[in-house]
Amino acid sequence: AQSVSQHNHHVILSEAASLELGCNYSYGGTVNLFWYVQYPGQHLQLLLKYFSGDPLVKGIKGFEAEFIKSKFSFNLRKPSVQWSDTAEYFCAVRDDKIIFGKGTRLHILP
Amino acid sequence: EPEVTQTPSHQVTQMGQEVILRCVPISNHLYFYWYRQILGQKVEFLVSFYNNEISEKSEIFDDQFSVERPDGSNFTLKIRSTKLEDSAMYFCASSEGNRLASTDTQYFGPGTRLTVL
Repeated sequence: AQSVSQHNHHVILSEAASLELGCNYSYGGTVNLFWYVQYPGQHLQLLLKYFSGDPLVKGIKGFEAEFIKSKFSFNLRKPSVQWSDTAEYFCAVRDDKIIFGKGTRLHILP
Repeated sequence: EPEVTQTPSHQVTQMGQEVILRCVPISNHLYFYWYRQILGQKVEFLVSFYNNEISEKSEIFDDQFSVERPDGSNFTLKIRSTKLEDSAMYFCASSEGNRLASTDTQYFGPGTRLTVL
């Protein structure tokens, strides 16, 4: 069965620190990968997605993710975080339905 | 930018009561989904719906659950007899519906928080 695992459940960083959130997936077929973000009190929003082509994907708000097929990974990165990035981040793979990871709660200290 | 909307934002009900959660998908989308997120847990797929019928459902989606597209705009999730463990955030999502297209993306609504007492 397809699955997504996120290694970090809770990450605390100071503003301007660099961020990398780990995500690994298990899926044998062609993968469609996503990162969704859920800001406090708000709904899930699409941050970025990978379908094919350039494995380095750029999303909104300065986020990017790199698809590494050999490692079954799709880690999310941002070179310099802001307080407003405080949110929960979900990695997901699509197999018609979306299969989500458990999420990483990111807390940025001002 | 078009959005998926959901009503109500918060529903409180007594155990055993029926609830209907409502969603208005993005207007040109053809595939509709319900997901739920129990507090502190991950988002889980419940059901997908296309062409007026269920296309896939998870183990969670038992006989107590049903979905309907009663008119051209609404998509509803009904829980016939709520249980305490149904308390969760319920998210509706929709996509353009080209299931085999690699560019198909699901867009989520803001969620309905269901509290069963």
